[in-house]
Amino acid sequence: NAGVTQTPKFRVLKTGQSMTLLCAQDMNHEYMYWYRQDPGMGLRLIHYSVGEGTTAKGEVPDGYNVSRLKKQNFLLGLESAAPSQTSVYFCASRPSRAEAFFGQGTRLTVV
Amino acid sequence: TQLLEQSPQFLSIQEGENLTVYCNSSSVFSSLQWYRQEPGEGPVLLVTVVTGGEVKKLKRLTFQFGDARKDSSLHITAAQPGDTGLYLCAGSSGGYQKVTFGTGTKLQVIP
Repeated sequence: NAGVTQTPKFRVLKTGQSMTLLCAQDMNHEYMYWYRQDPGMGLRLIHYSVGEGTTAKGEVPDGYNVSRLKKQNFLLGLESAAPSQTSVYFCASRPSRAEAFFGQGTRLTVV
Repeated sequence: TQLLEQSPQFLSIQEGENLTVYCNSSSVFSSLQWYRQEPGEGPVLLVTVVTGGEVKKLKRLTFQFGDARKDSSLHITAAQPGDTGLYLCAGSSGGYQKVTFGTGTKLQVIP
């Protein structure tokens, strides 16, 4: 049972480069989330989705885009990476009104 | 933006001691969850509380949801080294779609 899988696990980008982080879940969950985690700041919500084809902005959406073309996948895109986007990114999924299951995170460094 | 403030931010105690971690907000939440996160891993759910004044126990951990559903506490009795980790509270509101995380409490239990 894979649960929530994030790829890649590590990445180093140069300023201005683009990349896409993939989150895949095999639990048929409706809700999916992208968070970033920085030291001393807990988890901050970037974007979320309440179902296939829908997305919504979270607390810190600037510089990121997302897509949920298939229920099991939630993609996070960085069009032009900046050093301020250096962080650990976590994807989570949950059925409604229940616990969130998290992936193992993607450590992104922008130089 | 709904904010969840946790205190203390860091806690280093000896094995066998008791401790309490607090999670406070000015907003009302439909439910509140506590997660524990270990280095290099995503957060894992410990408990969900949904009723104002609710108390839940999980072995040596006691969780309480405030009467007004704006705050919560986590009490650990006789802490053990295996309790070491980052403790995060998370609140759900707006139909359970949006989950906001607290700033986190980093606990170290010294043998």
